Amino acid sequence: DAGVTQSPTHLIKTRGQHVTLRCSPISGHKSVSWYQQVLGQGPQFIFQYYEKEERGRGNFPDRFSARQFPNYSSELNVNALLLGDSALYLCASSRMDEQFFGPGTRLTVL
Amino acid sequence: RKEVEQDPGPFNVPEGATVAFNCTYSNSASQSFFWYRQDCRKEPKLLMSVYSSGNEDGRFTAQLNRASQYISLLIRDSKLSDSATYLCVVSHSGAGSYQLTFGKGTKLSVIP
Repeated sequence: DAGVTQSPTHLIKTRGQHVTLRCSPISGHKSVSWYQQVLGQGPQFIFQYYEKEERGRGNFPDRFSARQFPNYSSELNVNALLLGDSALYLCASSRMDEQFFGPGTRLTVL
Repeated sequence: RKEVEQDPGPFNVPEGATVAFNCTYSNSASQSFFWYRQDCRKEPKLLMSVYSSGNEDGRFTAQLNRASQYISLLIRDSKLSDSATYLCVVSHSGAGSYQLTFGKGTKLSVIP
């Protein structure tokens, strides 16, 4: 079975632009969570979606938004990019309590 | 105070050494506890869950003390392949949500 997949793997944007990151969960998993990992830090929770509904939101500004589609894939959108948004964005899918992470999207904001 | 605090590291140890990582968490309502391993520029992967009774998986032993809000990981007979960053993780759930809170991580380098 395929694991969690994310696209793109790398992305370079400039300040003020917006970005859309995509995630496909493991088959059968209905929950998707997004995390931001800044260099030298642990991942920080952004959102959780379950059955297309937002179930949890971390301490991130409204520039960050997400959605989940009927096939349980998910998108993370970030508007008005700042230099500080440069990070590895991780998607995790889960069926019960264990979360499985995708390889991440490395976003660089110049 | 950060929710999950770990030894700052890095730890540089010779092959065969025993190394211990310590972690404390601040939210007494935390429900589940884990150690994740993250290789350089890769995603975190679950190493093991941590239980109050303590649990062992080969060379790895994890302990949880809920009263002290303290979690530990012991690696015996270190291998070169153990070199990675070890992340202490706690979970919270409520109102239908479930989220993981990660520590900053402790980098381990096992030296030949």
